[in-house]
Amino acid sequence: DTGVSQDPRHKITKRGQNVTFRCDPISEHNRLYWYRQTLGQGPEFLTYFQNEAQLEKSRLLSDRFSAERPKGSFSTLEIQRTEQGDSAMYLCASSLGSSNEKLFFGSGTQLSVL
Amino acid sequence: SQQGEEDPQALSIQEGENATMNCSYKTSINNLQWYRQNSGRGLVHLILIRSNEREKHSGRLRVTLDTSKKSSSLLITASRAADTASYFCATVEVYTNAGKSTFGDGTTLTVKP
Repeated sequence: DTGVSQDPRHKITKRGQNVTFRCDPISEHNRLYWYRQTLGQGPEFLTYFQNEAQLEKSRLLSDRFSAERPKGSFSTLEIQRTEQGDSAMYLCASSLGSSNEKLFFGSGTQLSVL
Repeated sequence: SQQGEEDPQALSIQEGENATMNCSYKTSINNLQWYRQNSGRGLVHLILIRSNEREKHSGRLRVTLDTSKKSSSLLITASRAADTASYFCATVEVYTNAGKSTFGDGTTLTVKP
């Protein structure tokens, strides 16, 4: 399968714990995006990478969130000191890199913070 | 708030009927895209229409774009039960340097067999 893969598919954690999610984009795609989606809402932009450089981060994103994309390949999204409000589906998408290119999404990581 | 707003929020039709969903947005855009999402899954790209295009077709899908009204519509003809899903419009704004897509809150389509 050469699509976007995300791991894990589901994560249940207790409030205050740290969690890390991984995304493997389509190999030739140099842009990688993280979105968050809650029930009944559309995906909300979190951050984006062009190769290994993080070029934009949502103003809504708290300092507890950090993302990396070492070597411009896979990416990780870490949430520190999780809160119940962090419960959501975290979606990763990749694209070839032109503003007219479509996004290819992974199946997401469903986070539940108890 | 989100850039795009879909209308209606929910739509229920019989198999074989046509389904029309509308999207309105606020700023000048480079392009508008429609995505589909099955429950608990990621989004799948359906069709992209550029700001200088007015209509586009792909199989049973027809998309229109009216930049003067800042609106788009997605028409699914001869719907099937397998078309049941949520549909989202997404816009790429003119003044963004990220190609970042901003999504609306979607239309949930139910096609009854």
